[in-house]
Amino acid sequence: DAMVIQNPRYQVTQFGKPVTLSCSQTLNHNVMYWYQQKSSQAPKLLFHYYDKDFNNEADTPDNFQSRRPNTSFCFLDIRSPGLGDAAMYLCATSRGGSNNEQFFGPGTRLTVL
Amino acid sequence: DQQVKQNSPSLSVQEGRISILNCDYTNSMFDYFLWYKKYPAEGPTFLISISSIKDKNEDGRFTVFLNKSAKHLSLHIVPSQPGDSAVYFCAAWWSNFNKFYFGSGTKLNVKP
Repeated sequence: DAMVIQNPRYQVTQFGKPVTLSCSQTLNHNVMYWYQQKSSQAPKLLFHYYDKDFNNEADTPDNFQSRRPNTSFCFLDIRSPGLGDAAMYLCATSRGGSNNEQFFGPGTRLTVL
Repeated sequence: DQQVKQNSPSLSVQEGRISILNCDYTNSMFDYFLWYKKYPAEGPTFLISISSIKDKNEDGRFTVFLNKSAKHLSLHIVPSQPGDSAVYFCAAWWSNFNKFYFGSGTKLNVKP
């Protein structure tokens, strides 16, 4: 089945140790999104790619970077994770344009020790 | 500043009754409003949406109502079933920026 896949599902890292979260999609969608969700809060958009065009949210910390090497893959790099970066990270895709339906991956739960 | 708000963190309803989940927004430029359903350990899944030019959209047991003057929308589930127990997120889409804005979710518990 076409889907959005996130690896790993659970990631433990140490304070200050770089970590990369992975997202892949088989939907051939133009847009890929990364959200951060903390407990009982709204998913917060970090950035999104429309094809190769990168769109960063103004309040996304510099500590967070993203790469989209091709249509299928998108990575979230956290250069120096702090305790406050522990959260669920959700990847989502959409076709873009006038099509507004988003498809989400299952998320990666990040723990920072 | 959160542009989409869900003020009820939780809702408990008896099986067979109506569930009403509410959502408020502040930005009149939003083009579409969407509801997502999320089970534990899964990502949100799309449930139903409504264009900003409509006031009602119905899909089976699910109906979304939009009141633009009040900047308010609601999701009605009739009749509620235990399998509907999940967290429901309201979201708004701004087409100019291809961005979605989410509420903090309402946890629905449908009791058998």
